[in-house]
Amino acid sequence: GQNIDQPTEMTATEGAIVQINCTYQTSGFNGLFWYQQHAGEAPTFLSYNVLDGLEEKGRFSSFLSRSKGYSYLLLKELQMKDSASYLCAVMDSNYQLIWGAGTKLIIKP
Amino acid sequence: IAGITQAPTSQILAAGRRMTLRCTQDMRHNAMYWYRQDLGLGLRLIHYSNTAGTTGKGEVPDGYSVSRANTDDFPLTLASAVPSQTSVYFCASSDGSAGSSTDTQYFGPGTRLTVL
Repeated sequence: GQNIDQPTEMTATEGAIVQINCTYQTSGFNGLFWYQQHAGEAPTFLSYNVLDGLEEKGRFSSFLSRSKGYSYLLLKELQMKDSASYLCAVMDSNYQLIWGAGTKLIIKP
Repeated sequence: IAGITQAPTSQILAAGRRMTLRCTQDMRHNAMYWYRQDLGLGLRLIHYSNTAGTTGKGEVPDGYSVSRANTDDFPLTLASAVPSQTSVYFCASSDGSAGSSTDTQYFGPGTRLTVL
């Protein structure tokens, strides 16, 4: 079966750095997405990786290793507004997104 | 530009009733999707449409139907609601160019549905 694993919850301190991991087993691979979802709101797109390596976008970076079935989202200089759930999703061979359950990130002052 | 709109925002429904959730996008995206999101579970695909006039079943299609008469609208119908359909429903759309960042899905604000 297809599976996306990410930690259920993480806690970090304002101003610090946090890394949210995602491992996947899917039938085929056509890219990996990270989304941010604040409580009670819709998911919003953060990043897309289809090739191995690091993609940097401001305070957020996303890394992909296709051979290891592994990705991480790195958040730097954490702000209170970064408190949210972070969703990892993989596009499979049928070009459908398989979603992880999300990682709830709690930022403490 | 509104992006994607959904209606209603929330609804309480008696079991056995019929309900249609509305979704409209103004981005001229080819593909549209309906997901449900339940606590502790990832987003689960109910139905999708790659282009106007076509639809397909996702992971959890039972009890739901969709239609795609035009590019902009993608309503989701619960023919006879049951309590297990209590969930938050999100509509999404994408440009649908397979295998690229244009596959990025953009989400509507969601409909919170409670079936009693």
